[in-house]
Amino acid sequence: DGGITQSPKYLFRKEGQNVTLSCEQNLNHDAMYWYRQDPGQGLRLIYYSQIVNDFQKGDIAEGYSVSREKKESFPLTVTSAQKNPTAFYLCASNTGTYNEQFFGPGTRLTVL
Amino acid sequence: KNEVEQSPQNLTAQEGEFITINCSYSVGISALHWLQQHPGGGIVSLFMLSSGKKKHGRLIATINIQEKHSSLHITASHPRDSAVYICAGRGSGGGADGLTFGKGTHLIIQP
Repeated sequence: DGGITQSPKYLFRKEGQNVTLSCEQNLNHDAMYWYRQDPGQGLRLIYYSQIVNDFQKGDIAEGYSVSREKKESFPLTVTSAQKNPTAFYLCASNTGTYNEQFFGPGTRLTVL
Repeated sequence: KNEVEQSPQNLTAQEGEFITINCSYSVGISALHWLQQHPGGGIVSLFMLSSGKKKHGRLIATINIQEKHSSLHITASHPRDSAVYICAGRGSGGGADGLTFGKGTHLIIQP
């Protein structure tokens, strides 16, 4: 079955540690996105990538980093510089700019 | 100010009722998405539309480009429809830089 997988579903980390969230898709989509969701707020764009080896900052990129070495994979690293990292993180992809976006199941990150 | 506004924020209704969720946007968009998020957090795309009306089962989505307004309707609502419904706009340039999301409408359908 084609789709987007994110792992792990729940993640705990100690303050000051970096952590990497996985996002893999087998839909052959060119574009991939990372969004953050906080209670009472809409999803906000962290980073996006239109093509392998290229990515752009979204609205709230500070404290995050990404890589796009393979078309299928778009991992997100939450660094210790991110002041408020506890949130729900969603990965998405689409095949072209005018096409429907597909979402992964999300990773809930809690910083202790 | 959020560029995509939804109303109501919360809605509780009885099973069988006709449900309407509204979405207004203040920026030009090329398409509007309606998404459904269940308690586990996963998001499912319900509709993507740029004009007119779309129907899928008991769900109907409409959009009025001139008025910058879209509605999601649920006919014969059922408890399994309970979820957060989110509208999101794709930019007028195609939205290559992602979607702009509303804050969501939390719908509860009581049996």
